[in-house]
Amino acid sequence: SYVLTQPPSVSVAPGQTARITCGGHNIGSKRVHWYQQKPGQAPVLVVYDDSDRPSGIPERFSASTSANTATLTINRVEAGDEADYYCQVWDSDGDPWVFGGGTNLTVL
Amino acid sequence: QVQLVQSGAEVKKPGASVKVSCKASGYTLTNYGTSWVRQAPGQGLEWMGWISAFNDNTNYARKLQGRVSMTKDTSTNIAHMELRSLRSDDTAIYYCARGRRGSSGDWYFDLWGRGTLVTVSS
Repeated sequence: SYVLTQPPSVSVAPGQTARITCGGHNIGSKRVHWYQQKPGQAPVLVVYDDSDRPSGIPERFSASTSANTATLTINRVEAGDEADYYCQVWDSDGDPWVFGGGTNLTVL
Repeated sequence: QVQLVQSGAEVKKPGASVKVSCKASGYTLTNYGTSWVRQAPGQGLEWMGWISAFNDNTNYARKLQGRVSMTKDTSTNIAHMELRSLRSDDTAIYYCARGRRGSSGDWYFDLWGRGTLVTVSS
């Protein structure tokens, strides 16, 4: 089954740029989706299809994908961005929906 | 308002079954498929299974096959997830989520319920 690897934690100061990575074999051939989950809340889609944002998601959130790594970038980080972030792909072999282990973003 | 409203928290004993419901509002379950995702305390998201919008076809996670069933009632627009032979490690928040097809034919979740806490304890 397909495996997605995320760093457990990322820390950034307010106003700086946070980058959260998601590694997977040949992930560049897949579409990557990103979710934000604040404490005690359900996940919320923040990026779909590698780089598109649902309505209501700030332009500060962007994403990109290379051969084996996808990256969620949050510009001008705010305290309200503190959350867990999960990447997800759809895999035609094995269990179709695959999540990364999640990254906890701390705003210092 | 487009939303998914889930049933309330449950406490079950090991070996019992639990059935969680998820009522869709603002759209119909016959237009979008539904997945269930769970999250154990302090852990990440785990996909459990999927029920198709059109024909009730299901696809379950390999580790749960034989213990999980997903259904939907189109007359009430409610999806259900039943998990049997509960164990302590089934203690988790269970989410329903609406599936959306991406530009390349893959799938993601664009709408989530608030979750239902299921506690398995003797």
